[in-house]
Amino acid sequence: AQSVTQLDSQVPVFEEAPVELRCNYSSSVSVYLFWYVQYPNQGLQLLLKYLSGSTLVKGINGFEAEFNKSQTSFHLRKPSVHISDTAEYFCAAPNFGNEKLTFGTGTRLTIIP
Amino acid sequence: GAVVSQHPSWVICKSGTSVKIECRSLDFQATTMFWYRQFPKQSLMLMATSNEGSKATYEQGVEKDKFLINHASLTLSTLTVTSAHPEDSSFYICSATNRVEGNTIYFGEGSWLTVV
Repeated sequence: AQSVTQLDSQVPVFEEAPVELRCNYSSSVSVYLFWYVQYPNQGLQLLLKYLSGSTLVKGINGFEAEFNKSQTSFHLRKPSVHISDTAEYFCAAPNFGNEKLTFGTGTRLTIIP
Repeated sequence: GAVVSQHPSWVICKSGTSVKIECRSLDFQATTMFWYRQFPKQSLMLMATSNEGSKATYEQGVEKDKFLINHASLTLSTLTVTSAHPEDSSFYICSATNRVEGNTIYFGEGSWLTVV
């Protein structure tokens, strides 16, 4: 079964500083990978996805992620964060054979003014 | 992008009553939808897989008689919490898979259930 690991439960970052949220997955074959953002008291919004093709994926709100097969990673990055980026971020991957998503435990990004 | 809508966004009900939450895929058809439950400051916990035209598949530990799921059409799944108790209070989120878009999974806005 697929597993997704987000090592950082909380990441505080100063406003306008860069940020990287880490995600590692377990798999020996091609995968689909997603990053979702959850703002307080809201559902999940798709930030970006990797299905195939270019390993650098650009998403909404200035975020991007790079699929690295050798390191089994899909880290999320933003060069300059804003207060509005304060949220919970989830990395996720579907299980093979079905569409069930395996989620990481989430990373709470807190932007410091 | 594709949109998944949930209704209601929040609901308060009395203990012992039932409450229904709807999940709709607005611009794509979804033969499969998923229902999750999320506790404060935690990740999502998959409750069940909703299959259009057939019975839902429940995860281990989820009471199928308590959480009734009906997938009446290719764009609608409903979750009914029967005989609700305060411990059922939670944030419920649905998702639907857009197979036309490379199996991208979209989530609803979530529904807050408070049982008093």
